[in-house]
Amino acid sequence: DVKVTQSSRYLVKRTGEKVFLECVQDMDHENMFWYRQDPGLGLRLIYFSYDVKMKEKGDIPEGYSVSREKKERFSLILESTSTNQTSMYLCASRDTGVAQHFGDGTRLSIL
Amino acid sequence: DQQVKQNSPSLSVQEGRISILNCDYTNSMFDYFLWYKKYPAEGPTFLISISSIKDKNEDGRFTVFLNKSAKHLSLHIVPSQPGDSAVYFCAARELNSGYALNFGKGTSLLVTP
Repeated sequence: DVKVTQSSRYLVKRTGEKVFLECVQDMDHENMFWYRQDPGLGLRLIYFSYDVKMKEKGDIPEGYSVSREKKERFSLILESTSTNQTSMYLCASRDTGVAQHFGDGTRLSIL
Repeated sequence: DQQVKQNSPSLSVQEGRISILNCDYTNSMFDYFLWYKKYPAEGPTFLISISSIKDKNEDGRFTVFLNKSAKHLSLHIVPSQPGDSAVYFCAARELNSGYALNFGKGTSLLVTP
């Protein structure tokens, strides 16, 4: 079974703080993704990576950056948090098939 | 703009009956469609997919139907069980887009005993 692990289930931060969300997959997948899920909006793609050190912007990259230094790890960085970044953040990876496999998510609250 | 639309935010079905979840799309370049199921406080779980060259795919109690001319797909769950109560997301992949998926906003299914 594919295992996608997100480092934190819940995080509470203050506005202006820098936040790192970590994601690790154990299946040697090349493609990894970061989404945020908000009520009534579904899942929206922030960034994705198709290989080490490669990244592509998704639909809502503003306020975020990413890092992929190793194949198994994909980090989402919020440089200076704002309250509108309060959300559920979901990491996913993909093998050669079409389906993406998700972690359990990080619920981030910005106060 | 939303390319994958799930127009019903919620659906309630009795246990044992059929659940039908609907999804519409606007992009003719989508080559695969997927359904995910999500419980609260968990990540989405892949359920079933269908290629754009097919019109039906079945896996146990789950069947997905694709009507390309109408740009419409549906997920049928037969028979519905209380454990099927979850949010269901429809997703689509665009050919040559780099593997990203477009998701709908989700439909919350409640299966009552």
